[in-house]
Amino acid sequence: EAQVTQNPRYLITVTGKKLTVTCSQNMNHEYMSWYRQDPGLGLRQIYYSMNVEVTDKGDVPEGYKVSRKEKRNFPLILESPSPNQTSLYFCATKRTETYNEQFFGPGTRLTVL
Amino acid sequence: GENVEQHPSTLSVQEGDSAVIKCTYSDSASNYFPWYKQELGKRPQLIIDIRSNVGEKKDQRIAVTLNKTAKHFSLHITETQPEDSAVYFCAASTAGRRALTFGSGTRLQVQP
Repeated sequence: EAQVTQNPRYLITVTGKKLTVTCSQNMNHEYMSWYRQDPGLGLRQIYYSMNVEVTDKGDVPEGYKVSRKEKRNFPLILESPSPNQTSLYFCATKRTETYNEQFFGPGTRLTVL
Repeated sequence: GENVEQHPSTLSVQEGDSAVIKCTYSDSASNYFPWYKQELGKRPQLIIDIRSNVGEKKDQRIAVTLNKTAKHFSLHITETQPEDSAVYFCAASTAGRRALTFGSGTRLQVQP
């Protein structure tokens, strides 16, 4: 079954404690992306990756890091989380070409106290 | 960069009525416009999309129209049903960046 998985699904943490949200896909998609969803702001792109070892900033990259060492995995790293990073995070994947459907993971709800 | 504005933010209709959600975009180079539906507690899922070389596309009860000159596109849902209740997001993509810029979402409520 084609799928995008994220872990953890829910996380409550404290300011400054490093965390990683994993994203994995089995669809052999080149393009992977992270979004955060906040009420009234829609989905905003944090980082994206066009292929292995190729990453680039989206619209709201501050406070986040990513890596793409393997095609199937695209972890999101918060080195020093702050309360303003409390949000719902979605990983998404697609084939590189513009017109292809983007598939979203199930989401990770993060609360930073 | 691209900016996508979406209206209205909430929309309530009676079952069987039509619903229209409108979006405008800023980058004239944008050439792909998908619409996503997000049910409560679920992930966004693509429901329909349109490319810049097409003015209208229809899939059963849903249709999307695109006016490139005015830089706006709209989602039309006819004969609405309670299961259409969800948040709908429009988005725009520019080929060079291959990223999606989303609107802020419209919460549609269909009253039975």
